Amino acid sequence: DGGITQSPKYLFRKEGQNVTLSCEQNLNHDAMYWYRQDPGQGLRLIYYSQIVNDFQKGDIAEGYSVSREKKESFPLTVTSAQKNPTAFYLCASSNNRGRGYEQYFGPGTRLTVT
Amino acid sequence: GDSVTQMEGPVTLSEEAFLTINCTYTATGYPSLFWYVQYPGEGLQLLLKATKADDKGSNKGFEATYRKETTSFHLEKGSVQVSDSAVYFCALIPNFGNEKLTFGTGTRLTIIP
Repeated sequence: DGGITQSPKYLFRKEGQNVTLSCEQNLNHDAMYWYRQDPGQGLRLIYYSQIVNDFQKGDIAEGYSVSREKKESFPLTVTSAQKNPTAFYLCASSNNRGRGYEQYFGPGTRLTVT
Repeated sequence: GDSVTQMEGPVTLSEEAFLTINCTYTATGYPSLFWYVQYPGEGLQLLLKATKADDKGSNKGFEATYRKETTSFHLEKGSVQVSDSAVYFCALIPNFGNEKLTFGTGTRLTIIP
């Protein structure tokens, strides 16, 4: 089955530690995205990548880093510089072809930092 | 910049009631419009979409019509079920090479039997 996988589903870390969230897709999509979801605030874009070895900052990139070494993988690192990292993180991908291309979402990773 | 405004929730309805969730947008040009649904503890799933004015998106009994004159994309369903309980997000993508989705804040819907 084609789709997007994120692991782990739940992640717990101590303050001051970096943590990397995994996102893999087998849809052969060119573009991948990371969003953060907080209660009552909808989704906010962290980083996105339209092609391998290239990525751009989204609206809330501070304290995060990404890499895109392979088409199917787009890991997100939450660094110790992120002041409020506890949130639900969602990865998405899309084809970026034609008009109205939708984004497909993974199941999410809930990160708790204490 | 682009923005999406959704009716605030939470919304609670009885089973078989009629549902409307309002969504209006601000964008340059002719964006594509989407409704996504999020069930508890899960990611987002695309519910329906419309890519040009007067298009109607539909899926699973839900409908929404792209109204450029009122910059709206209201979600409707004639008879809701308990299984429709979820959070619904309205979103847009501008159609001039920018792939960034802009989301509304979401509307939590609860259907009671």
